[in-house]
Order: sequence, then structure tokens, then C-alpha cells
Amino acid sequence: GESVGLHLPTLSVQEGDNSIINCAYSNSASDYFIWYKQESGKGPQFIIDIRSNMDKRQGQRVTVLLNKTVKHLSLQIAATQPGDSAVYFCAENSGSNYQLIWGAGTKLIIKP
Amino acid sequence: NAGVTQTPKFQVLKTGQSMTLQCAQDMNHEYMSWYRQDPGMGLRLIHYSVGAGITDQGEVPNGYNVSRSTTEDFPLRLLSAAPSQTSVYFCASSYSGGQADSPLHFGNGTRLTVT
Repeated sequence: GESVGLHLPTLSVQEGDNSIINCAYSNSASDYFIWYKQESGKGPQFIIDIRSNMDKRQGQRVTVLLNKTVKHLSLQIAATQPGDSAVYFCAENSGSNYQLIWGAGTKLIIKP
Repeated sequence: NAGVTQTPKFQVLKTGQSMTLQCAQDMNHEYMSWYRQDPGMGLRLIHYSVGAGITDQGEVPNGYNVSRSTTEDFPLRLLSAAPSQTSVYFCASSYSGGQADSPLHFGNGTRLTVT
């Protein structure tokens, strides 16, 4: 079946270093991918998205890379800060319906 | 701008009790949805609505009912609560259902415990 998964459930990064969070997807028909950040006690918050006709998209301190050949998605956070501590979810939308498929999440821990 | 507002924030129910989780948004979004979040799992879609008067089932609809009488409100009803429904529930809205350039806006969740 369709699935979106993450390679690492927990990622520890030194403050100031770059973080890379990975995600694998299985539906080659997916045409839209999104990253959300969820802080403790709050709902997920949109970070950045990318369409399937793109390989890379940059935002403020974040970059999403899409490799359709190996069905892999990654979120890069530059100069990680304490405020980046959260659980990060990737999600995909095949475009044919209104249902996003979510990964299980990766917890990002920032070491001082 | 309040965004998506969910009430209550916490709720404890006994098995068999019923209740309604409230969700309201003030962004004039046509699309609204309910998710449940369980430890170690991603969000799972319960029900969604693409506009007033229209609802549809998501991945895990059993045990839940919804209605959409207005654009602003999308309540989730548990008819007879079961321990398996212990979870954190999130309501989300967007202009067009999480499609490109229309990301979901989430509320802060309702933590439900069924004993």
C-alpha cells in the first residue's frame, strides 16, 4: 500500500550545525510533498513544500530535496537553533484526493 | 486572527460515553479535516469535508461522525467511546485540502482519554 516513512526516529544535532531529516515514500504517483514541524503540545505547522516537477526548493534556513529516482525526500535545516527542537513529519499527496499520507515523524534534538 | 480553534483541550471519558470535539476556523477555508495522532505513528485522517454540507471518510472513520453545517465549524462526534479512541485529535483546515500552495493549518489538539 501507499506509505511514507522516515529513516531515523530521533536525530541529535549540535547547535549551529546543519540538520538533515530524511523521508522515503512509496507512491510514485505522488505529485506534492510537504514538511511539517510539531512542537510539544501544539499542532503541526507547515514548513515547506515541493511539487514533483522540482528537485529542490529553498526557504528561510530550510531546503527540501526531492529524488524521484529513489523516492526520497529530505529536509535540511541550516545552522540549527534550540527553537528547531520538534518532531518533523513528511507527508505526500497523490493529487487524486484530499488525503495526505503522513510519515511517523522524526524527533530533532538540539545539543547545546 | 485565531486560526483553527479546538475545544476542549483535555477530556476524560468512560467507555460508552459520547461527546463532541469542537473545531472552528476563521480563515474562510473550504476544506476541514480531523486527524488522530497516536504515539510512534503519523497522523491518520478520520473524516474530512470539502465544503458546507459535504463530508467524506478518511483512513480511520469507524466510531466517529461528522457534519458540516457551516463553513466555519466541523465538529467530531464520538457516539460510544472506547479505550482504542484514546488519542490526540487534531483539526486542520485549508483552502483546498492540502494541495500544492494550500497547506493545512492545524489546531492545538484535544487530548482524549477513554477509561
